[in-house]
Amino acid sequence: DTEVTQTPKHLVMGMTNKKSLKCEQHMGHRAMYWYKQKAKKPPELMFVYSYEKLSINESVPSRFSPECPNSSLLNLHLHALQPEDSALYLCASSPTIGIGQVDGYTFGSGTRLTVV
Amino acid sequence: QKEVEQDPGPLSVPEGAIVSLNCTYSNSAFQYFMWYRQYSRKGPELLMYTYSSGNKEDGRFTAQVDKSSKYISLFIRDSQPSDSATYLCAMRTYGNNRLAFGKGNQVVVIP
Repeated sequence: DTEVTQTPKHLVMGMTNKKSLKCEQHMGHRAMYWYKQKAKKPPELMFVYSYEKLSINESVPSRFSPECPNSSLLNLHLHALQPEDSALYLCASSPTIGIGQVDGYTFGSGTRLTVV
Repeated sequence: QKEVEQDPGPLSVPEGAIVSLNCTYSNSAFQYFMWYRQYSRKGPELLMYTYSSGNKEDGRFTAQVDKSSKYISLFIRDSQPSDSATYLCAMRTYGNNRLAFGKGNQVVVIP
């Protein structure tokens, strides 16, 4: 299995809703990431988990809450979002950070989020 | 100055032409270089990964890295309409998982 699977593919939510995005990989990768991508822009890093521990938070607002229940799963909990948070949310994974890493990152197909 | 510069101008080429894309970077600590292809409304797909200066070939794709000039390139030979996508360069330093992306190039291959 060489894929990163994200669900749902599309999500429309109101500003008072609580929802979660899910990401799963079975490649044995121990680093997992959340990225946000606006139209015609490159992906922007939000969070990095390494060995199930949060290692990077790019000053993301607290209305986004990541969770890594185990080495294969990554969640992004959403609460009280704003319309400007509408974007494609991408999950990615990679082998261990830095040393010995010879692969690039594998991205999922993303969740297209619309906040109304 | 941005860490990674990639001219985002759209590029239209006829089918069969060679597509040439490039990125420049300012951080000499970058050691790992990637090219991603992203189709509309999909996630980026890793095309090429390299960590040394020189050329790396994979089918119709060639990645070129010149660390002395801080310049990387991607060449697509015999371009096909299915190559129409946005191409993103990305790079990182040793021991750091943060990828620096270029803005991306939208490529259209006209049948």
